[in-house]
Amino acid sequence: QQQVKQSPQSLIVQKGGISIINCAYENTAFDYFPWYQQFPGKGPALLIAIRPDVSEKKEGRFTISFNKSAKQFSLHIMDSQPGDSATYFCAASNSGGSNYKLTFGKGTLLTVNP
Amino acid sequence: EAQVTQNPRYLITVTGKKLTVTCSQNMNHEYMSWYRQDPGLGLRQIYYSMNVEVTDKGDVPEGYKVSRKEKRNFPLILESPSPNQTSLYFCASSLLPGQGDTEAFFGQGTRLTVV
Repeated sequence: QQQVKQSPQSLIVQKGGISIINCAYENTAFDYFPWYQQFPGKGPALLIAIRPDVSEKKEGRFTISFNKSAKQFSLHIMDSQPGDSATYFCAASNSGGSNYKLTFGKGTLLTVNP
Repeated sequence: EAQVTQNPRYLITVTGKKLTVTCSQNMNHEYMSWYRQDPGLGLRQIYYSMNVEVTDKGDVPEGYKVSRKEKRNFPLILESPSPNQTSLYFCASSLLPGQGDTEAFFGQGTRLTVV
């Protein structure tokens, strides 16, 4: 059972455009929603994260939008740059569970053309 | 520098030959885990550990073993590797909820090929 569904699988955007990646989750106990960025040959690294007490969080050009009722959250990259080309993973976890676990989406390969 | 160190980075082995991938973290994290990354399947958790001597299965544990004898180390053991275990493996560590920020720190990855 895939608990975090991510789309699209791949995305091509022109430099300066907006990149949008969407995720949906099923487990209403999830209370932490991070996004990880992975460059080729590297391990994933935390990009930005949100908790369900807010509907939006912005850090520079990166924004998470969170819709608790729809059980969806998305990553928006404004003014996309070629250096943003990477694989992006959404994830979710339940802080209160007896077995803490970070569940990942399948990833989105973002290509930003110059 | 805070880091998670995996070794080796690349490994080619033959079916059935036991191997160990090491993982060490220097952040005093309680929680450590192993993932495998395959095209189109994302990151799938193999095993995790919430403390020394406390380990449990993740989503895809078949064919793998782990141990947590020390807080900093969490080796992944393949007793009898098979070609379907060819993959990119990542070790990660973090604090547990309640201890602080649960950002997961990942190693650089180990690309394993089983022929």
